[in-house]
Amino acid sequence: GAGVSQSPSNKVTEKGKDVELRCDPISGHTALYWYRQSLGQGLEFLIYFQGNSAPDKSGLPSDRFSAERTGGSVSTLTIQRTQQEDSAVYLCASSQGHIFREQFFGPGTRLTVL
Amino acid sequence: RKEVEQDPGPFNVPEGATVAFNCTYSNSASQSFFWYRQDCRKEPKLLMSVYSSGNEDGRFTAQLNRASQYISLLIRDSKLSDSATYLCVAPRPSSNTGKLIFGQGTTLQVKP
Repeated sequence: GAGVSQSPSNKVTEKGKDVELRCDPISGHTALYWYRQSLGQGLEFLIYFQGNSAPDKSGLPSDRFSAERTGGSVSTLTIQRTQQEDSAVYLCASSQGHIFREQFFGPGTRLTVL
Repeated sequence: RKEVEQDPGPFNVPEGATVAFNCTYSNSASQSFFWYRQDCRKEPKLLMSVYSSGNEDGRFTAQLNRASQYISLLIRDSKLSDSATYLCVAPRPSSNTGKLIFGQGTTLQVKP
């Protein structure tokens, strides 16, 4: 079956604009995660959705960042009033259950804020 | 101190060599760990899980030392295709948080 997909694969935007990044998890996976990875850095946790539970938003760096997951499937990460330091690769992952299960990552969205 | 810490390398080794990476973690309550592999400009993929003292899969062996709070990854008979960045991962223990703590990664370059 299909893996995790993300769109767009690349996004170039101007400082101050809003952007939306989309993630389609593997069908049937109840857990969905967003991470970001800056050049040469490790992955930084952003947010975690598990089933119908309240999301764990503890990794969101500021209130300009938000995410939602509709119908327990597709997720959208929104960054408002983008800043240059938001430039990074945003990775989505899904897993079948809780965090101790293997996470399957999408190819990421490379965001460049000019 | 970082929650999960790795030597970024790079480790440059010849084909056929044995190489080992260590990863230290700060939270003694962490119960399980993972090694993910990330190729250049690609997404991470699970290499091994480490739930108890260790795990072995072919040329790869992962070990957990709880007393000293580190996890190691040993690669025997290195192949050119092993060249990648290896990420050590620890779940944030307790509660229902989904936060995984990723190390910065250790870069391995296997040379012919």
